[in-house]
Amino acid sequence: SQQGEEDPQALSIQEGENATMNCSYKTSINNLQWYRQNSGRGLVHLILIRSNEREKHSGRLRVTLDTSKKSSSLLITASRAADTASYFCATDAGSNNDMRFGAGTRLTVKP
Amino acid sequence: NAGVTQTPKFRVLKTGQSMTLLCAQDMNHEYMYWYRQDPGMGLRLIHYSVGEGTTAKGEVPDGYNVSRLKKQNFLLGLESAAPSQTSVYFCASSSTGGRANGYTFGSGTRLTVV
Repeated sequence: SQQGEEDPQALSIQEGENATMNCSYKTSINNLQWYRQNSGRGLVHLILIRSNEREKHSGRLRVTLDTSKKSSSLLITASRAADTASYFCATDAGSNNDMRFGAGTRLTVKP
Repeated sequence: NAGVTQTPKFRVLKTGQSMTLLCAQDMNHEYMYWYRQDPGMGLRLIHYSVGEGTTAKGEVPDGYNVSRLKKQNFLLGLESAAPSQTSVYFCASSSTGGRANGYTFGSGTRLTVV
């Protein structure tokens, strides 16, 4: 069963705008990860944030984590057409040494 | 540096046929996973392995078998394919189970069962 649920399911913005995607989860976690998937390709790991961290940056990416609300957000600043992809959050709540993935947010950045 | 390689990339099977999907990684990772991705459902874990010679069931193991005879390879078998197994299959590997760092994914195998 999915652990993380992304919101919105789809997001369409203009190039240069910021994109914000949210992830909610149900059980306690040690870390939360965000992945990107370009059409027809595998998932690519973007960033990992641990439960004792509140914010993390990587280039144009900013991830926040609120463990009290069991939620995380991924902000992509100054978006580019190349950012068009699906974005997934994953949590380590799986009982099988695995990460549990949400259904993803489909981001479209229009040039 | 190939990372994780999956073969084949596409396959069409008839109901009842069998096939094996191969996953190979060159990063000396201990952990390997097979996921399936269906529209609107995210990725679901089929089977996984925590090291050479080990395998274990994930969320949706029925209809699949796996083997990890060599550390670098993780095979996923479908003994008697069913239309419900039409999906995109992803293999992933990790040095520490994904909880300390992320997974490395292959590019996927798109399987259609008719």
